[in-house]
Amino acid sequence: EPEVTQTPSHQVTQMGQEVILRCVPISNHLYFYWYRQILGQKVEFLVSFYNNEISEKSEIFDDQFSVERPDGSNFTLKIRSTKLEDSAMYFCASSESITGWYEQYFGPGTRLTVT
Amino acid sequence: GIQVEQSPPDLILQEGANSTLRCNFSDSVNNLQWFHQNPWGQLINLFYIPSGTKQNGRLSATTVATERYSLLYISSSQTTDSGVYFCAVKNPTDSWGKFQFGAGTQVVVTP
Repeated sequence: EPEVTQTPSHQVTQMGQEVILRCVPISNHLYFYWYRQILGQKVEFLVSFYNNEISEKSEIFDDQFSVERPDGSNFTLKIRSTKLEDSAMYFCASSESITGWYEQYFGPGTRLTVT
Repeated sequence: GIQVEQSPPDLILQEGANSTLRCNFSDSVNNLQWFHQNPWGQLINLFYIPSGTKQNGRLSATTVATERYSLLYISSSQTTDSGVYFCAVKNPTDSWGKFQFGAGTQVVVTP
């Protein structure tokens, strides 16, 4: 079965540093997402991406965050200057469609620890 | 936006017991998925079930979209079933497909 992969599985960084979280969505999918889960809380939507543009973003997704699809396979989330409160699990997801009935496939996540 | 409520918030089971987890949502949905978050934090997709019933081994799920709820059944629970179970939904009026997650049910299965 196709799957979404994410690297690294765990990233430790110092406050103020830039981090890039990487995702490889399923190859024929067109819609890409990042979600975040702060420890002990629910999973929250960050941003959706389609046709090389951000299609929707939440209020969490401020100027510190950016997303990119640098080539035909990778989808990245960059945090420019990490803060302690950015420590969380980050999940990438992709889907083939957004209309009708479709499944959204989630990656296993990257645990980001900011010290 | 759509509200998703899961119950119970916590569940302690003895190995071998059966249980039912519930997900209520406040509006119509065209997508509903159940996930298991393991102790390492990874999200494991269990079911894509916008309507109807599905079974996978000891787990099964039922969604009654017209009544705005979904149920996840765990039968003959094992210690490996421990973790947090999340329900996530998408409202058809949401243009770009984002999911709204519930707060989860924390399940602990004791030997």
